[in-house]
Amino acid sequence: EVQLVESGGGLVQPGGSLRLSCAVSGFTVSSNYMSWVRQAPGKGLEWVSVIYSGGNTYYADSVKGRFIISRDNSKNTLYLQMNSLRAEDTAVYYCAAGDYGSGSFANWGQGTLVSVSS
Amino acid sequence: QAVLTQPPSVSGAPGQRVTISCTGSSSNIGAGYDVHWYQQLPGTAPKLLIFANNNRPSGVPDRVSGSKSGTSASLAITGLQAEDEADYYCQSYDSSLSGYVFGAGTKVTVL
Repeated sequence: EVQLVESGGGLVQPGGSLRLSCAVSGFTVSSNYMSWVRQAPGKGLEWVSVIYSGGNTYYADSVKGRFIISRDNSKNTLYLQMNSLRAEDTAVYYCAAGDYGSGSFANWGQGTLVSVSS
Repeated sequence: QAVLTQPPSVSGAPGQRVTISCTGSSSNIGAGYDVHWYQQLPGTAPKLLIFANNNRPSGVPDRVSGSKSGTSASLAITGLQAEDEADYYCQSYDSSLSGYVFGAGTKVTVL
């Protein structure tokens, strides 16, 4: 059974840092492309970042230069290092597993809430 | 502002048919990239509903269908049921952004 379990969310002050984790079971994190998608309170889904199986990474303009996506193959875990956090980064952050066959995000975690406030 | 345009809301009575449009541009849907649809029930994570324009994952009923033409796509739900009340999002890839894009979401209300 495929499972994605996020952790690491919480309350952080503007300018602070936080690292999110997404523990994966049921497939190998390095064999799929993996993304972070966020949802601000009462708003829609916003794609944040992707890491492909070959290791290439891409970011939304809104987080470029501040966020870093990575993975640890030995732990089968995806990460999102978030630096210089702003109030507008407040959201539920979901990790999502891409499927190369369909091109869709076939599996999602339950999400972890990040609140940026003083 | 979302790259893909969806109507904010649609509604229908039980048993009726509703459709949700998703309009993109020449750098995403119009460039040939597939469109995928997700259903998000209140307080839960999104769930894949339609992949690659018109394919249903296992477990999704055949009263849900998708289509794509030109720079647009649409999702149709026939035989509307109370359990269909949710937010629906379209998603594609955008070559000019080198990333994935979502619509702003459409809230389906069953009257």
